[in-house]
This record gives sequence, structure tokens and C-alpha cells, in this order.
Amino acid sequence: LAKTTQPISMDSYEGQEVNITCSHNNIATNDYITWYQQFPSQGPRFIIQGYKTKVTNEVASLFIPADRKSSTLSLPRVSLSDTAVYYCLVGDGEDTGRRALTFGSGTRLQVQP
Amino acid sequence: IAGITQAPTSQILAAGRRMTLRCTQDMRHNAMYWYRQDLGLGLRLIHYSNTAGTTGKGEVPDGYSVSRANTDDFPLTLASAVPSQTSVYFCASSTADSTDTQYFGPGTRLTVL
Repeated sequence: LAKTTQPISMDSYEGQEVNITCSHNNIATNDYITWYQQFPSQGPRFIIQGYKTKVTNEVASLFIPADRKSSTLSLPRVSLSDTAVYYCLVGDGEDTGRRALTFGSGTRLQVQP
Repeated sequence: IAGITQAPTSQILAAGRRMTLRCTQDMRHNAMYWYRQDLGLGLRLIHYSNTAGTTGKGEVPDGYSVSRANTDDFPLTLASAVPSQTSVYFCASSTADSTDTQYFGPGTRLTVL
């Protein structure tokens, strides 16, 4: 299984841009990179997904370098409501018949006023 | 559109009792999953189903069983609950295509005494 490594926690202030980097050195050729957000007592929620270069949606941007061994989730102008745990996931990249998403411990983002 | 619903929301169960957690999705997704999330940790895959009529084991399947009689429902059964199964259980579904974005239910908080 492709393994991901992220910082355990990050702190920020309202209005700042937050960048969370995830390492996935063993990513397979056909793996996508997906980021989820989880609030306390709720299930994870899809934020953004990409394969290479840059992806942007109304919530975030995802930067993926050419070697795809890392990715960076960028949250522009965070607010208090962005306080959550953020998970970076990659698939197992193999046709095993199992969608083996492995959730690590994620990055706990705390946004302060 | 409800998405994914789970029942019950929470449950306190005596050890040794049998319990079935219910999960229903109305998105006609092929794949469904059960995860458990222990306090302060990431999610771990228990069982999955790529399509109706098929199931597979995840990372932590012992003590749990699942069935997938139709596309919409994916119940998780604890045949004889033990205290170590105290956790929050999340059901998810996905289209099971190459991007495989998973959509999560609200979770069931289970306490085994």
C-alpha cells in the first residue's frame, strides 16, 4: 500500500493561506491523490483530487510536482471554520479489486482569530 | 437526496451481544466500505464491497462480517461484541472508478461495555 506522511498539526490565523504538504514516495503510476477534511463527530468530506500539476476548485488548490512523490494542499484565506483534520490519501495503484484507501493520522489544522 | 445514512447514531452495547450497524446509500454507487475510527486516530478499513454480491476484507476485519445483497445496503455485523470494538464506525461509498472519491456517512458511535 502506498503510504503517506503528513505533519501531525499546524496552526494558522484567520485570513492566512495554509499549505499542507504530504509525502507519498511510493505512489504508483495510476494512483490519484485525494484530500479529505474531517470535522469532529463527522465523516471525512472530499476536498480535492488530482493526478499531476495543479488542480483548483472553489475550496482549495492542489499542487503536484512532476515526480508525484509529494503534494501540497493549499487553503486560501482560512477561517475559523477550516479548523479540522486533513487527510491525504493515495490508492494502492494495483488492480487488486480493493480500493485500499489508507487513512493516516492526518494533519490537525487549528485556525485562530 | 440523502446520500449515505447510517443507523443507529449511537449505541451502548453489552459485551457478548450481537449488533448490526446499518448503512444505506441512494447514489447507486457500486462500491461500499466500512471504517472504524478510534479516538484521535485515522480511519481503518474493516470490510469493503466493490459491487452487489461481493465483499472483501480490509485492514481490521476480525470480529466483523458484512453482506451486500443489493446496491444500496451494506450492513456491518458484530457477532459477539467486545470492548475493543468501541469506536466510531463510518460507512462510505464510491463509484469505484479510477478516481474513486469516497462519500462518507455521519457515523455510528458504538460503546461496548
